[in-house]
Amino acid sequence: SQTIHQWPATLVQPVGSPLSLECTVEGTSNPNLYWYRQAAGRGLQLLFYSVGIGQISSEVPQNLSASRPQDRQFILSSKKLLLSDSGFYLCALIQQGGYEQYFGPGTRLTVT
Amino acid sequence: AQSVSQHNHHVILSEAASLELGCNYSYGGTVNLFWYVQYPGQHLQLLLKYFSGDPLVKGIKGFEAEFIKSKFSFNLRKPSVQWSDTAEYFCAVNALRTGGFKTIFGAGTRLFVKA
Repeated sequence: SQTIHQWPATLVQPVGSPLSLECTVEGTSNPNLYWYRQAAGRGLQLLFYSVGIGQISSEVPQNLSASRPQDRQFILSSKKLLLSDSGFYLCALIQQGGYEQYFGPGTRLTVT
Repeated sequence: AQSVSQHNHHVILSEAASLELGCNYSYGGTVNLFWYVQYPGQHLQLLLKYFSGDPLVKGIKGFEAEFIKSKFSFNLRKPSVQWSDTAEYFCAVNALRTGGFKTIFGAGTRLFVKA
């Protein structure tokens, strides 16, 4: 079965610093991959999704970017963090031919 | 644009009370519908799903949901809640886009069940 790894688990970064969050998956090939930000009372906000290597769709204009350099690797980045980037970031996948979404353990980002 | 609306942000019930959480979506095409649950300190996990067929679907732990296409709704129900149902519940919609599925979640409903 598929497994999603995210690191780091927690991160505290100053405003203006760069960001790189990594998501890797095992046990599946060519999945659709997703980055969400979860904030209290706002549910899960879809940030990016990818249907294949190098293919990224952005859902909201923001200070973040995503890349998919390998089939099972999905990276969330920022050149300069803002306070508003604080939150809980979840990586998720849908298997090829599937419908159900599976979630990783998440990364808690605090921008100070 | 595709969106999901959950009617209640916070619900407080006593044990044995009945539960209904509302969910409406806006999307004109074919959708798959889901309810996910997040227990305190745990990952999001699937509660139930609707793809096609019988619009009344049953999930784990006694939960069920009814898809009413004409109302664009997918409400979650449970006849008698337990303290262990305290969690946050998310309605989600998968819409097929070119090359894959785009999943949109509602804002979530926090349920607190009093013992």
